[in-house]
Amino acid sequence: GEDVEQSLFLSVREGDSSVINCTYTDSSSTYLYWYKQEPGAGLQLLTYIFSNMDMKQDQRLTVLLNKKDKHLSLRIADTQTGDSAIYFCAERMDSSYKLIFGSGTRLLVRP
Amino acid sequence: DGGITQSPKYLFRKEGQNVTLSCEQNLNHDAMYWYRQDPGQGLRLIYYSQIVNDFQKGDIAEGYSVSREKKESFPLTVTSAQKNPTAFYLCASSTGVLYGYTFGSGTRLTVV
Repeated sequence: GEDVEQSLFLSVREGDSSVINCTYTDSSSTYLYWYKQEPGAGLQLLTYIFSNMDMKQDQRLTVLLNKKDKHLSLRIADTQTGDSAIYFCAERMDSSYKLIFGSGTRLLVRP
Repeated sequence: DGGITQSPKYLFRKEGQNVTLSCEQNLNHDAMYWYRQDPGQGLRLIYYSQIVNDFQKGDIAEGYSVSREKKESFPLTVTSAQKNPTAFYLCASSTGVLYGYTFGSGTRLTVV
C-alpha cells in the first residue's frame, strides 16, 4: 500500500542540528524527496535521493535512506530561524508520475 | 524565468457558486497536478494530467472538475457539489522523474 508517515512537530534551538524522520511502506519506491513549505506558500524542492543510494549531502542538508527499514531522514546542520517551516517527504513509485506525500513535520527554530 | 503561476492568491466563494482556479506553467512540463491542503494536514491529490486532453481523478475528486486543453494550462473548477471547499489549493507540474514537482504559490479559497 501507499503510505508515508512523519512526526508532526519538532522544536530545536538555533545553531543545533535538526533531524526530521519519515517512514514509507512501498518497497517499490524509486525516488524520495524532501520539500519545504513556508507559511502561505507553495512547496519548494530541497533535495532528493535515489533508492539505490544510502546518503546524499548538499551543503547543510544530509539525507539518509535505510531501505531495509523503509526509513528516510533529513538532517539540517546549524539550524537557523529561517529554517522554520513545514517539511514534507514524498515517494515516487517506479514508472509513475505521482508523488505520495507525508503529512508534514512543522519545524520550529527557537532563538 | 520559467515557473508555474496560480491565480488568484485569495478567492472568496458564496454558497452554491462555482469558482475556477487558474494554473499556468511555462516549463514545458507534460504532467500537471492539483492538490488540496487543509490546516495541519498533508497534501491530498484532486486531479492530475499526464498529457493534453487527458486527466485522471485523484483521491478526492468529488465536487471538482478540470480540463487540459493546452499543455501550459490546467484550471480547476470547484463546484457547488463540493460541500467543504475552504482550503489551500496547490498546483504542480513535472517532467520525467528526476526533479519531482514544481509547485505554484497556491490559492486560498474561502467560502463566505
